[in-house]
Amino acid sequence: AQSVAQPEDQVNVAEGNPLTVKCTYSVSGNPYLFWYVQYPNRGLQFLLKYITGDNLVKGSYGFEAEFNKSQTSFHLKKPSALVSDSALYFCAVVYSNYQLIWGAGTKLIIKP
Amino acid sequence: DTAVSQTPKYLVTQMGNDKSIKCEQNLGHDTMYWYKQDSKKFLKIMFSYNNKELIINETVPNRFSPKSPDKAHLNLHINSLELGDSAVYFCASSQGESGYTFGSGTRLTVV
Repeated sequence: AQSVAQPEDQVNVAEGNPLTVKCTYSVSGNPYLFWYVQYPNRGLQFLLKYITGDNLVKGSYGFEAEFNKSQTSFHLKKPSALVSDSALYFCAVVYSNYQLIWGAGTKLIIKP
Repeated sequence: DTAVSQTPKYLVTQMGNDKSIKCEQNLGHDTMYWYKQDSKKFLKIMFSYNNKELIINETVPNRFSPKSPDKAHLNLHINSLELGDSAVYFCASSQGESGYTFGSGTRLTVV
């Protein structure tokens, strides 16, 4: 069965440090993977996607994600965290007709 | 111009009432969706709809019904509202592998 897992409910990082938000997936065939961010009281915003090509995908706001086929992971990363990066992050994978399966979300807290 | 707009932004209503939430997208996308986000922030797909097909999440009560007057609109009608319907409802649209564009959400509170 197709699935997405975000193993951490919350990630705490000090401002200026690198951050990683984890995502693993289970799909048949080649995965289409997405990261979205939700700021408080806002809708979800697209950050980046992996369809094919380079395993390192660059997205909005300085974020990037690394696709690792052998580990079935698509972790979201940023070299230097900002307080304004504090938000809820969702990983998602396409399963059929371009519809998405969503992870449960990870709350990212960046402390000054 | 807002790509996906939904109204109202906030909706407070009494149990038993019938209400609608409207959604419009100006992106020319073929597919539109309704999601429910509960208090734990989990996203649950309710409906997806394109010109050809309505897909209903079987766990959604039949008090919820989508109505699409045209390709750019997918409204959500809810009958006999219950306390448990309180949540944030998001409309979204997509086209192929481009990913989803979301509206800003409607916070529904049933009292």
